[in-house]
Formats: sequence, structure tokens, C-alpha cells
Amino acid sequence: GEDVEQSLFLSVREGDSSVINCTYTDSSSTYLYWYKQEPGAGLQLLTYIFSNMDMKQDQRLTVLLNKKDKHLSLRIADTQTGDSAIYFCAEAATGANNLFFGTGTRLTVIP
Amino acid sequence: AAGVIQSPRHLIKEKRETATLKCYPIPRHDTVYWYQQGPGQDPQFLISFYEKMQSDKGSIPDRFSAQQFSDYHSELNMSSLELGDSALYFCASSYTSVSSYEQYFGPGTRLTVT
Repeated sequence: GEDVEQSLFLSVREGDSSVINCTYTDSSSTYLYWYKQEPGAGLQLLTYIFSNMDMKQDQRLTVLLNKKDKHLSLRIADTQTGDSAIYFCAEAATGANNLFFGTGTRLTVIP
Repeated sequence: AAGVIQSPRHLIKEKRETATLKCYPIPRHDTVYWYQQGPGQDPQFLISFYEKMQSDKGSIPDRFSAQQFSDYHSELNMSSLELGDSALYFCASSYTSVSSYEQYFGPGTRLTVT
């Protein structure tokens, strides 16, 4: 079955770039997603990438996909204190649309 | 823009009681998903519906059931509640008929079983 892994914690200084990494096992995943969850809140869709793409950029966010290594990363440029949250990567299940989530990375931005 | 609406936002029940969670998808969205997120855990897929028919089933206990109604809203029914059912329950919706794979999540219902 699907197995999505992330490192649990990341701390960066305000203004620096953050890079959150994710590895997945289902090579037939069609879409890969990044969600942001603030304490006690819902999941906010940040961006997603189709599996035939290598990179997607959306304002301060850059997603890189290495399909050969099954590695996904999210880069946040000019990280702000408001970016402090848990970031989940997720993959769409093979033949279905439901999502399998990673363990989440807690990003702490130090002022 | 309209978002996914879930009610209630908080629910406290006792063991062995029943609970009903409601989800109202974004207008025109035809697919609803239910996820369960335990404390400090990642969300786990429970069940989904497309055009009022069950489309996929995940780790949903037999004590739980769900359906999608003609107006596309969905309800998750939970019976014989156990302490371990305490979690955040998220509903998400997407517009599958136009091949949109963007799933938007509601704010969640926090269920506490005592």
C-alpha cells in the first residue's frame, strides 16, 4: 500500500527559505499535494503537482518532484512567522482520488 | 468563495452513544470524502462518495456508516462510540466530473468521547 514519509520537525529563521521533504512509495500516483494545517484548524490546500511534471512554482512556493527517487519537496521562499504550521504531503491513491497523507512536518519560524 | 461546511464543529458524546456529523460540499462539487485525524496523527481516509454512490472505502469501522444525499451533502453516522473515536473528522470535496483533483477540506468536527 501507499506509504508517505516526512521528517517531523523543521526550524528556520524568518526571511530564510524552508525546504520540506517527502518520500512516497506508490510509483503510479498521479497527483501529489501539499497541505498546511495550523493548530486546531482544517487542512488548507497549498499546491499540487501532476506526476508528469518536475517543478511547479506558485508565488513563494516551489514544488519539485523527482519521480525516479519518489521524492517531493516544498520550498517556501522568504519564510514568515505566519508560515509556522504543520505541512502534509499527500498522494492520490492508485485508481482512486482519496489521499494518503504523510506524517506531517512541523515548521517553526524563528523571528 | 464558498468553502466546505461541517457541523457541528465540536461534539461531546459518551461511550456507546451515537453521533451524526454533517458535511456540505462546495457548490457544484460532486465528490465528498471523509477523513479521521487522531491527536498528533495524519488524516486517515474513511470513505468517499461520487454522485451519491460510495466510490472508495478506507479504514472505516463497521460501526460507522455514511451516505451522500440528493443535494450532495453527506452524513457520517457513528454508533457504539468508543474512547478511541475521539478525533478530528474532516470532510473534503472535489469536482471529479471535470477531472479536477483539487480536494478542499472543511474546518473539521472535533469529536470527544468520554
